[in-house]
Amino acid sequence: DTAVSQTPKYLVTQMGNDKSIKCEQNLGHDTMYWYKQDSKKFLKIMFSYNNKELIINETVPNRFSPKSPDKAHLNLHINSLELGDSAVYFCASSQLTGAAGNTIYFGEGSWLTVV
Amino acid sequence: AQSVTQLDSQVPVFEEAPVELRCNYSSSVSVYLFWYVQYPNQGLQLLLKYLSGSTLVKGINGFEAEFNKSQTSFHLRKPSVHISDTAEYFCAVSVLTDKLIFGTGTRLQVFP
Repeated sequence: DTAVSQTPKYLVTQMGNDKSIKCEQNLGHDTMYWYKQDSKKFLKIMFSYNNKELIINETVPNRFSPKSPDKAHLNLHINSLELGDSAVYFCASSQLTGAAGNTIYFGEGSWLTVV
Repeated sequence: AQSVTQLDSQVPVFEEAPVELRCNYSSSVSVYLFWYVQYPNQGLQLLLKYLSGSTLVKGINGFEAEFNKSQTSFHLRKPSVHISDTAEYFCAVSVLTDKLIFGTGTRLQVFP
């Protein structure tokens, strides 16, 4: 069973469109994240949620809106897509929050290409 | 603020040779250190992590890393690499929270 699963794996869309990426974890973790990996492989955190509550928001444009209907799901909705949004988006989860050193489990990534 | 520097963007090696991937960090407080591996078109997988205690940490797939506080380094090593070790390797730190700060990655290319 996949621990952290995200869909779709590949997404090609036009500028200006709105798209969503879904994420689910079956590990029973309380904390979920979205990370962005750019074309140079640089990884950076975007958001983290603990039990449906926003904990970290790394000054991401407000076109990006995470939504957590329950602690096992954290979806990412992106409005008015721009070329610079092309990247790989990784969903992740960990068991505890507020304490460093937890192992973070990553999904396999969603490759978003904006044309 | 914390930062991570991976000194080599690419490391080519022949199969069965030893390898060291270098990682240095910057922080004014104690950190937790991680190495993650990303195989082609896949997500990240934890190789190993240092929280406290012994400075030599052993991970999966025969990898190990040594925490050196005086040199603020956490280099990753493997005595004999395989073709299947070809991947991108990321060093990361966290301080106080779960937020991981990643280095820019090192591409390990193993040749037969």
